[in-house]
Amino acid sequence: EVVLTQSPATLSLSPGERATLSCRASQSVRSYLAWFQQKPGQAPRLLIYDASKRATGIPARFSGSGSGTDFILTISSLEPDDFAVYYCQQRYNWPPITFGQGTRLEIK
Amino acid sequence: EVQILESGGGLVHPGGSLRLSCAASGFTISNFVMTWVRQAPGKGLEWVSTISGSDDSTYYADSAKGRFTISRDSSENTLYLQMDSLRVEDTAVYYCVKCGGGLDVILYYWGQGTLVTVSS
Repeated sequence: EVVLTQSPATLSLSPGERATLSCRASQSVRSYLAWFQQKPGQAPRLLIYDASKRATGIPARFSGSGSGTDFILTISSLEPDDFAVYYCQQRYNWPPITFGQGTRLEIK
Repeated sequence: EVQILESGGGLVHPGGSLRLSCAASGFTISNFVMTWVRQAPGKGLEWVSTISGSDDSTYYADSAKGRFTISRDSSENTLYLQMDSLRVEDTAVYYCVKCGGGLDVILYYWGQGTLVTVSS
């Protein structure tokens, strides 16, 4: 089973700042990694798939990079609506599909 | 427009059963991979089960194997998750997710979820 480790657990930033979230896989997942955003009381929303492809309707300030075992989600300039929990997920070596434990992005 | 609506959640005693439904509109579920993902209160996301879009192959997390059954009714355009021998640790919001075609398990569209509470 591929274990995904996200860091940091919590990230405190201000609107307008750049956010960098990390996801590390216990073994290579090639580029089969996705990122999700979840706000309180809402379902997760797909942001990025295949490491760097933005899902439909996702603003350009969200970008993904990486391959193999190390991945980054970057939010170039934080807007108030971006403060949420972010999860990474792999689909290369499944079953099982696995998720990271999440990074909470909070307002500083 | 893709719409996904889960139902069937509720309170059940340990050892009991529940069937979750996922009514889809805006697409034909038999043409797509469909997946159930759950989230225990205050916890992260956990994959539960997937049914392929091509040959109806099914896949289960170890925690669901032997107790849960994923299926779909093409005439009703509805996905199901039959959950038997429920445990306290199955308490979670269960999300129905539309993926891609074939065996593409990109989790594109999520329903709003249905809450299952297993408690005595």
